[in-house]
Amino acid sequence: DTGVSQDPRHKITKRGQNVTFRCDPISEHNRLYWYRQTLGQGPEFLTYFQNEAQLEKSRLLSDRFSAERPKGSFSTLEIQRTEQGDSAMYLCASSWDGADQPQHFGDGTRLSIL
Amino acid sequence: GENVEQHPSTLSVQEGDSAVIKCTYSDSASNYFPWYKQELGKGPQLIIDIRSNVGEKKDQRIAVTLNKTAKHFSLHITETQPEDSAVYFCAASIVGDMRFGAGTRLTVKP
Repeated sequence: DTGVSQDPRHKITKRGQNVTFRCDPISEHNRLYWYRQTLGQGPEFLTYFQNEAQLEKSRLLSDRFSAERPKGSFSTLEIQRTEQGDSAMYLCASSWDGADQPQHFGDGTRLSIL
Repeated sequence: GENVEQHPSTLSVQEGDSAVIKCTYSDSASNYFPWYKQELGKGPQLIIDIRSNVGEKKDQRIAVTLNKTAKHFSLHITETQPEDSAVYFCAASIVGDMRFGAGTRLTVKP
């Protein structure tokens, strides 16, 4: 399977704990995006990388959120001191360089905060 | 920033009928408009897209139209089948910052 891969698929944690998600993009793609999706809503943009450079961050990305793409391949999204409101599906997408290139999504990591 | 509105939020059609979903966007600089299908427990799957220099695009039973002047675009599905049942999202993109509509839950009744 050469699609976008996300791990884990599900994460249940207690409020206040830190969590980290991983995304492996399609190998030839140099852009990688993170989105958050809550029930009944469309995905909301969080941040994106071009190669290893983080080029844009949404206002949704509070100081508790950090994303990295150290070698321009896989990426991690970490949430520190999780809160109830962080419960959501976290989606990763990748694309070729360019604003009009199709973004291909993984199946997401569903985060539940107890 | 860009704001995308999508209608209707739910749509139920009989198998074989057509389905139309409409979206409007606010930022005239948006230049790329994809449509995604999302099934339960899965990520969004790209089904068709259109760029701002094109007015219409078709792929088998799916077509998309774009009216840049009015800032709206539509998805048309003909000869609907039960497997078309899913949530459909439109999106508008400026320099890769993609904004999504709230989705349309399409149900195709056999």
